[in-house]
Amino acid sequence: DAMVIQNPRYQVTQFGKPVTLSCSQTLNHNVMYWYQQKSSQAPKLLFHYYDKDFNNEADTPDNFQSRRPNTSFCFLDIRSPGLGDAAMYLCATSSSVHTGEKLFFGSGTQLSVL
Amino acid sequence: GESVGLHLPTLSVQEGDNSIINCAYSNSASDYFIWYKQESGKGPQFIIDIRSNMDKRQGQRVTVLLNKTVKHLSLQIAATQPGDSAVYFCAENRGQAGTALIFGKGTTLSVSS
Repeated sequence: DAMVIQNPRYQVTQFGKPVTLSCSQTLNHNVMYWYQQKSSQAPKLLFHYYDKDFNNEADTPDNFQSRRPNTSFCFLDIRSPGLGDAAMYLCATSSSVHTGEKLFFGSGTQLSVL
Repeated sequence: GESVGLHLPTLSVQEGDNSIINCAYSNSASDYFIWYKQESGKGPQFIIDIRSNMDKRQGQRVTVLLNKTVKHLSLQIAATQPGDSAVYFCAENRGQAGTALIFGKGTTLSVSS
């Protein structure tokens, strides 16, 4: 089945130690998104790629970066994780950025920062 | 069935009741809306969507109503089942090409047998 896959399911890192979260998709969608979801809160958009064009949200901290080496893969890099970065990180895809496009989500990576 | 006039973070219903979950959106230019269901430890799952040129859309056991005058969206679930227990989020497209979905506050639906 076509899907959005996130690895790992759970990630533990140390305060200040760089960490990378991975996302892959078999939907061949043009757009990939990263959302941050803290406990009992709504998902918050960090940034998205439309093909190779990177679109950062204005309030996304510089500590968060992303890479998209090809259509199928997208990575979220947290350069110096703080305790406040502990959250569920959700990857999503859509076929385009035009209005009316559903987002398809992966199961998320739960990040813990010690 | 149980309903809420304003957004509440939790809603508890009995199995078989109808549930109504409300959502207020902020951007009058938003032209597309989606309801997602999120079970514990999982990513959001698409339920139903609606464009701004409609005021009602029905799916299987679910109906979405859109009131653009007061910027209000609701999700109705008929004959609620224990498997419907989850957090429900509404999301809006900000109405500009090149933007993504923005999520509203979630409502936790608890269904008891």
